[in-house]
Amino acid sequence: DTGVSQNPRHKITKRGQNVTFRCDPISEHNRLYWYRQTLGQGPEFLTYFQNEAQLEKSRLLSDRFSAERPKGSFSTLEIQRTEQGDSAMYLCASSLTGTLDEQYFGPGTRLTVT
Amino acid sequence: DAKTTQPPSMDCAEGRAANLPCNHSTISGNEYVYWYRQIHSQGPQYIIHGLKNNETNEMASLIITEDRKSSTLILPHATLRDTAVYYCIVITGGGNKLTFGTGTQLKVEL
Repeated sequence: DTGVSQNPRHKITKRGQNVTFRCDPISEHNRLYWYRQTLGQGPEFLTYFQNEAQLEKSRLLSDRFSAERPKGSFSTLEIQRTEQGDSAMYLCASSLTGTLDEQYFGPGTRLTVT
Repeated sequence: DAKTTQPPSMDCAEGRAANLPCNHSTISGNEYVYWYRQIHSQGPQYIIHGLKNNETNEMASLIITEDRKSSTLILPHATLRDTAVYYCIVITGGGNKLTFGTGTQLKVEL
């Protein structure tokens, strides 16, 4: 257990539905990252926050995806109008600002779109 | 960030040292070498990182060649629980995003 928690751990939804995932980082960590991982591939960066500010978004993050970190603590990732291609593991990680700080990953949320 | 090249898979006998290579021939002077691993159905786990000197911690040792174009992660006494995908990542220091490749699947067997 790294101290980063994600909920739910598994989500099955029908195509076209909206889903929301939550990530609770390690409490003193001010940076929070979202990654997506499909079968057989390494995780791919989606976006990251420093405190409540979203500082970078990947081109993978289409307009159906939105992430928030309203008070600089927990974060949510919402996918609207889900598609089968959204099926993946969604990973959250946190770290402290500064050089050489490793990222601590949560267990992930596995999304299956049917 | 520099790209890395790793073998897709390796096997190791339990109790023996596992040596996982990584090539990063385009690494620049301010880029660090990080290693993470991912055990099946878990999130990635940080192992170790280095700039140009060899590094050791309780999990592993990292050997970086003098020209910094390649490195080796060493698990000195591999156990079955070390079976995982190991990712070598080169990144500019500063806590930025990680760019994962496909890594090396290490299988530790009896």
